[in-house]
Amino acid sequence: DAGVTQSPTHLIKTRGQQVTLRCSPKSGHDTVSWYQQALGQGPQFIFQYYEEEERQRGNFPDRFSGHQFPNYSSELNVNALLLGDSALYLCASSPPRAYEQYFGPGTRLTVT
Amino acid sequence: AQSVAQPEDQVNVAEGNPLTVKCTYSVSGNPYLFWYVQYPNRGLQFLLKYITGDNLVKGSYGFEAEFNKSQTSFHLKKPSALVSDSALYFCAVRDSGAGSYQLTFGKGTKLSVIP
Repeated sequence: DAGVTQSPTHLIKTRGQQVTLRCSPKSGHDTVSWYQQALGQGPQFIFQYYEEEERQRGNFPDRFSGHQFPNYSSELNVNALLLGDSALYLCASSPPRAYEQYFGPGTRLTVT
Repeated sequence: AQSVAQPEDQVNVAEGNPLTVKCTYSVSGNPYLFWYVQYPNRGLQFLLKYITGDNLVKGSYGFEAEFNKSQTSFHLKKPSALVSDSALYFCAVRDSGAGSYQLTFGKGTKLSVIP
């Protein structure tokens, strides 16, 4: 049984560009959350999707947006990239009625 | 606002000795508490959680944690450390209130187990 998968693994973008990151949750999971982890820091909550709706959002600007598809997979979009957006982006999924989240390996985004 | 503090950036322990990684938290309601471990260039792995009930919770790989409401702490423990336990450990909290789904992490504690 595959765990949470994310693509791509690594990505290099230029300041001002836009990027889309993808996440496939673990089989049977219906909730997807996205986190940004800067170097040497803990993950910071961006938002959570459930039933194709953004259920809660952290303290991130509108440049960060997302989507959840009917098959529960999800995308994170970041517009107008800044150097400070360079980080590891983690996707996590949860099964119905569960409290814990299961994380993917992350996408390393570098903005130059 | 909710927050987590991990007061030690690094903990060193000899193999076979007991280990403790400290965590304190702040939430407005009752907490849901979690510990995760991160190996280099990998995502986070779930170790254990406290939701309600017994204050001592047991998790994966022989780890356990004790919830202390009066001290707002949730320290991670293991009776006998292994070299393979060396990794980055994160404590996280979520408020149990309705409509609250945000998981807030501490900055992490690097555990080094010395052979």
